[in-house]
Amino acid sequence: EAEVAQSPRYKITEKSQAVAFWCDPISGHATLYWYRQILGQGPELLVQFQDESVVDDSQLPKDRFSAERLKGVDSTLKIQPAELGDSAMYLCASSPGVSFTDTQYFGPGTRLTVL
Amino acid sequence: GEDVEQSLFLSVREGDSSVINCTYTDSSSTYLYWYKQEPGAGLQLLTYIFSNMDMKQDQRLTVLLNKKDKHLSLRIADTQTGDSAIYFCAESGGSQGNLIFGKGTKLSVKP
Repeated sequence: EAEVAQSPRYKITEKSQAVAFWCDPISGHATLYWYRQILGQGPELLVQFQDESVVDDSQLPKDRFSAERLKGVDSTLKIQPAELGDSAMYLCASSPGVSFTDTQYFGPGTRLTVL
Repeated sequence: GEDVEQSLFLSVREGDSSVINCTYTDSSSTYLYWYKQEPGAGLQLLTYIFSNMDMKQDQRLTVLLNKKDKHLSLRIADTQTGDSAIYFCAESGGSQGNLIFGKGTKLSVKP
């Protein structure tokens, strides 16, 4: 069964360092989402791509976060510089399209700890 | 704004039924979802219901939707220890299909 892949699974970094997370969506899925899940909370959308284009990044802290999906396939989320408050689980999800009938499938996530 | 609320904890005994409740605010939500998250893992879609439905049953899972009260529930029959996890309610609140999640209900199943 096809799955969303994410790496690394765990990342520990010191504040002010740069970190990057990678996501490979299910093959053929045009829509890719990055969510942040703070401990004890539900996931919150950071950025949404349709193919290689950003369709929603209203909740992305653009002073330190960036995301790209250059070829419309895999995606990278970067934080520079990392802050203590960025400690969270970063989840990637993909879906065939943006219709409400298009189920989002989630990867296992990258757990980030900022010291 | 859009908001999804859930109770944070539920404890049941193995073999009993579990009922997890959720309220949402966006009356225009087309689909409502239940996701399961096991420790250290991503989210697994359990089931979803279209907003023009009242009930959906899928094996041990029953979803009830009261659109008037904006209330959604997930019933798990014959709850097993493997059902212990955090359950998230989500609504399709965004124009681009993005999901708005509740904070999750931690289900503990005692043997």
